[in-house]
Amino acid sequence: DAKTTQPTSMDCAEGRAANLPCNHSTISGNEYVYWYRQIHSQGPQYIIHGLKNNETNEMASLIITEDRKSSTLILPHATLRDTAVYYCIVRSHNAGNMLTFGGGTRLMVKP
Amino acid sequence: NAGVTQTPKFRVLKTGQSMTLLCAQDMNHEYMYWYRQDPGMGLRLIHYSVGEGTTAKGEVPDGYNVSRLKKQNFLLGLESAAPSQTSVYFCASKTGISYEQYFGPGTRLTVT
Repeated sequence: DAKTTQPTSMDCAEGRAANLPCNHSTISGNEYVYWYRQIHSQGPQYIIHGLKNNETNEMASLIITEDRKSSTLILPHATLRDTAVYYCIVRSHNAGNMLTFGGGTRLMVKP
Repeated sequence: NAGVTQTPKFRVLKTGQSMTLLCAQDMNHEYMYWYRQDPGMGLRLIHYSVGEGTTAKGEVPDGYNVSRLKKQNFLLGLESAAPSQTSVYFCASKTGISYEQYFGPGTRLTVT
């Protein structure tokens, strides 16, 4: 599996966009980029995933560079409830679909 | 739907004791997973199952056993608990075609 690199922590002002980067320079052609988040003490929550194209859902947008070596998760209007650890995971969609969680980025949304 | 539930929520064991953690899902999901999360760390996969009656090892399987006798339940057993198994245990499930894993609320286990 491709390894991911994320900043350890980031701050964001409430109401502003939060842009969380992820580097996955060794990603292979059949691997997807997944984003999950974990609010304190809770189980992780799926946010979004993508292969090549940019994706958007009700929670966030995912921007993947053309060479697929990096991506950015965008929370368009961060709220205090978005304070969490955000995990970028690269994984092929095969049998088992096991996820490997690294350290993630601790996002602190401040009033 | 209750989603993914885990029993118990908290447990304290003495070294050498055994216990079973229960994960139940009511979404008819084929795949189920057990992860552990140590303080300040990401989740690590212990065992998983791709269907009723099947199990497979994950990244950190030593000291644990699992069973999937019914599609909706995935049991994680500790035969002889050790302090190194103090952790928060999360269960997850998904359908075969879905990209999204649904996680339970976790079981906080302390082994003294």
